[in-house]
Amino acid sequence: AQTVTQSQPEMSVQEAETVTLSCTYDTSESDYYLFWYKQPPSRQMILVIRQEAYKQQNATENRFSVNFQKAAKSFSLKISDSQLGDAAMYFCAYWWYNNNDMRFGAGTRLTVKP
Amino acid sequence: DTEVTQTPKHLVMGMTNKKSLKCEQHMGHRAMYWYKQKAKKPPELMFVYSYEKLSINESVPSRFSPECPNSSLLNLHLHALQPEDSALYLCASSQAGSTDTQYFGPGTRLTVL
Repeated sequence: AQTVTQSQPEMSVQEAETVTLSCTYDTSESDYYLFWYKQPPSRQMILVIRQEAYKQQNATENRFSVNFQKAAKSFSLKISDSQLGDAAMYFCAYWWYNNNDMRFGAGTRLTVKP
Repeated sequence: DTEVTQTPKHLVMGMTNKKSLKCEQHMGHRAMYWYKQKAKKPPELMFVYSYEKLSINESVPSRFSPECPNSSLLNLHLHALQPEDSALYLCASSQAGSTDTQYFGPGTRLTVL
């Protein structure tokens, strides 16, 4: 079974600084998708960024970028120029689309200090 | 429009009650999902509907009964729940059989007394 591990239960960053959240996963598949979702106190799960495993280029979305290392099964999220609104729980997720099954990591709670 | 709506936002029910949660999307997605999320935990997949057919049932107790009347609507019928079933119930949708992203609704906070 696929597993997703987020080893940092909590992280803190100063406003305008950069922070990196870690995620590793285990799979025997070669084609899959990886996601970072953000869940603020409002509870809504919001897509931050996604990465297709067949693409070598790291995904980027404005201030958010990933470092995808397929061989190492690592998928970290870098947030640049952190803003107060970035404070939330961040979940890394693995999706093997052949069975529409999404697996989430335990989450990392990010605090942004003014 | 990437909106998934869920009603009600909050629900309090007794263990003998019957209630239903509703999820709706108008993005033309053909896959819809129910997740259960306990406090400070990640979402756990409960059910997946693909083209209105139940494709994944993650060994969920029969007191939870999903229903997909059409491609836009997903219900979760609740009956004889236990206090440990209290959680946030999230609905999501995506294009079935493709590589599209799952979009989540805001969730229903369920409390079972």
